[in-house]
Amino acid sequence: KAGVTQTPRYLIKTRGQQVTLSCSPISGHRSVSWYQQTPGQGLQFLFEYFSETQRNKGNFPGRFSGRQFSNSRSEMNVSTLELGDSALYLCASSRRRKGPPYYYGYTFGSGTRLTVV
Amino acid sequence: LAKTTQPISMDSYEGQEVNITCSHNNIATNDYITWYQQFPSQGPRFIIQGYKTKVTNEVASLFIPADRKSSTLSLPRVSLSDTAVYYCLVGHSYSGAGSYQLTFGKGTKLSVIP
Repeated sequence: KAGVTQTPRYLIKTRGQQVTLSCSPISGHRSVSWYQQTPGQGLQFLFEYFSETQRNKGNFPGRFSGRQFSNSRSEMNVSTLELGDSALYLCASSRRRKGPPYYYGYTFGSGTRLTVV
Repeated sequence: LAKTTQPISMDSYEGQEVNITCSHNNIATNDYITWYQQFPSQGPRFIIQGYKTKVTNEVASLFIPADRKSSTLSLPRVSLSDTAVYYCLVGHSYSGAGSYQLTFGKGTKLSVIP
C-alpha cells in the first residue's frame, strides 16, 4: 500500500514569493493535516482538512493556507515568504474517528524541505 | 491547551527496557496522548495512543496514571534501530464539535548503545 507522498522534496524560494506544496494521502484516508518542523520550534500543527473543508487550525498567520480536493489530495500554500518560514513541512493522513479524539494515529510523508533565501 | 515537557535526550544499552516520560500537567478531560518516532530525513511514525491506564501494542506500552498529568512510553528490549527522536503529542478535542488542537513535545533523542 502506497504511503503519503509529498512533492517536491526540496524547494528554494526567495523572500516575498509564494509556494505551493502538494500531498497525496494513503488511499481511503480522508483526513489530511499539515505540520511545520523547525529546530527551534519543533513540530507544530498547521491545519487539518476533511471532506474538502478545513476542520482544525493551529496558531499560524493567514499567509499559511491550504485546500483539499475531492480525491482527498491536499495542497498547502504560503504567501509572502519570510526567512523564518524555512522549515520541513510535513503532511499526514488518517481516517477520522467519529468521537474524541477525532483522529487515529497519523501516517506522515517524508516532508518538503523549504528554504527561503 | 496542555503544555508538554519531555527529556531532551536519553541513552540506553541494547536489550534494556527504556521508559520515556512526558509531563502534561494541565491536561484536560478530552485530551488524548499519542507518541511518535522520527528518524532523520523521515516523517514521524505513529507508535501508540491512549487516554488512561495502560495500552500495549506489538512495539510499545503506554502508561498513563489516574491523574493523567504524565504519560510514559515503554520500549521493551531496545535495539540499535530504535535510536531516534520520540515525540509526545497531546490532542485537545472539543467535544461535539469534531475539532481539536495538537501540542507536540520538543522530542526526546534516544541513543541506543551497543
